[in-house]
Amino acid sequence: AQSVTQLDSQVPVFEEAPVELRCNYSSSVSVYLFWYVQYPNQGLQLLLKYLSGSTLVKGINGFEAEFNKSQTSFHLRKPSVHISDTAEYFCAVSVKTSYDKVIFGPGTSLSVIP
Amino acid sequence: DADVTQTPRNRITKTGKRIMLECSQTKGHDRMYWYRQDPGLGLRLIYYSFDVKDINKGEISDGYSVSRQAQAKFSLSLESAIPNQTALYFCATSEIQGNGYTFGSGTRLTVV
Repeated sequence: AQSVTQLDSQVPVFEEAPVELRCNYSSSVSVYLFWYVQYPNQGLQLLLKYLSGSTLVKGINGFEAEFNKSQTSFHLRKPSVHISDTAEYFCAVSVKTSYDKVIFGPGTSLSVIP
Repeated sequence: DADVTQTPRNRITKTGKRIMLECSQTKGHDRMYWYRQDPGLGLRLIYYSFDVKDINKGEISDGYSVSRQAQAKFSLSLESAIPNQTALYFCATSEIQGNGYTFGSGTRLTVV
């Protein structure tokens, strides 16, 4: 079975500082990896995804993530955060089988402090 | 209009009542999903459908049922609501595996 761990439930960071949100997954088969963002009172929005190829993927709003197969990690980073980045961030895994079943992590709440 | 529309946005219902949450999409996607979100647990899959005649249970389907009325419509029903079904419910669609999901804005359900 697959699982997703997000090591930090809450991350406070000052505005314009860098941030890293950590994600580790467990799977015995190949996976696709995703990061989603949820702003208050909204649904989830896809930030970026890793399917194959280059291990560094860039997404919207200046975010990027790096896939590390040996460490089974997919950490999300941004070099300089803004107040508007305050949101809940979810890491997700999809197993490369015949169906598209996505497993979500518990989420990390990012709070950007002015 | 939103690509994925969920109705109602908020609902308070009493224990034992039947309730239906509705989802419609204009993406033209075949794949549709229902998830529930609880604090600290992330999103958990209730049901998914790959076309009108293909409906499958997710990891937490007990107490729920679904109906795929058309490619664009996927409804979730709670036959007899109970308080631990209080949660935020999301409908999502996808085109092909690996493309990611498009989510609706959610339905906040409270069972009292």
